[in-house]
Amino acid sequence: EVQLVESGGGLVQPGGSLRLSCAASGFTFSGYSMNWVRQAPGKGLEWVSYISGSSSTIYYADSVKGRFTISRDNAKSSLYLQMNSLRAEDTAVYYCARGGLNYADDYWGQGTLVTVSS
Amino acid sequence: QSALTQPRSVSGSPGQSVTISCTGTSSDVGGYNYVSWYQQHPGKAPKLMIYDVSKRPSGVPDRFSGSKSGNTASLTISGLQAEDEADYYCCSYAGRYIRVFGGGTKLTVL
Repeated sequence: EVQLVESGGGLVQPGGSLRLSCAASGFTFSGYSMNWVRQAPGKGLEWVSYISGSSSTIYYADSVKGRFTISRDNAKSSLYLQMNSLRAEDTAVYYCARGGLNYADDYWGQGTLVTVSS
Repeated sequence: QSALTQPRSVSGSPGQSVTISCTGTSSDVGGYNYVSWYQQHPGKAPKLMIYDVSKRPSGVPDRFSGSKSGNTASLTISGLQAEDEADYYCCSYAGRYIRVFGGGTKLTVL
């Protein structure tokens, strides 16, 4: 059974940093691209970042470019999102999702809440 | 990376059909056959319902169908059931691995 479990969310002050993790199981992690998608409270979904299976290709949404860094450790079947210079507008539930079907995400984690507030 | 346009809400009675539209541009919806649709119940993670415009992942009922014409994609749910009440989001590939979501549509089953 495919499982994605996010962790690392919490309350952080504006300008602070946080590192999210996503532990994957039930599939060959290195064989799939992965994405981070976020959802602000009461709002819609927003794609944040993409990483290919080998980490050779990485892309970011303009809203986080230069502040967030996506990475993965295939040996540990884990995905990460390093978030720096956090702003109030980064407050959201962050989901990791498996890019299993062309440009669609076929499995999602339960999400981890990041709150940026003083 | 502007969001795709969806109606804020749609509604229908059990057994009826509803269609949710998703309008983008030639740089996203109109430019690629990589439109997907996600269902999200309150407090839950999104679930993939349609990918590649009209394909259904394993386990998704054939009551759900997708299509596209020009810069507008559509999700049709036929034989509406109470459990279909949820938020629905479209998503399109926009080149260079970038994806754009719609603002979401709340489906109410009357």
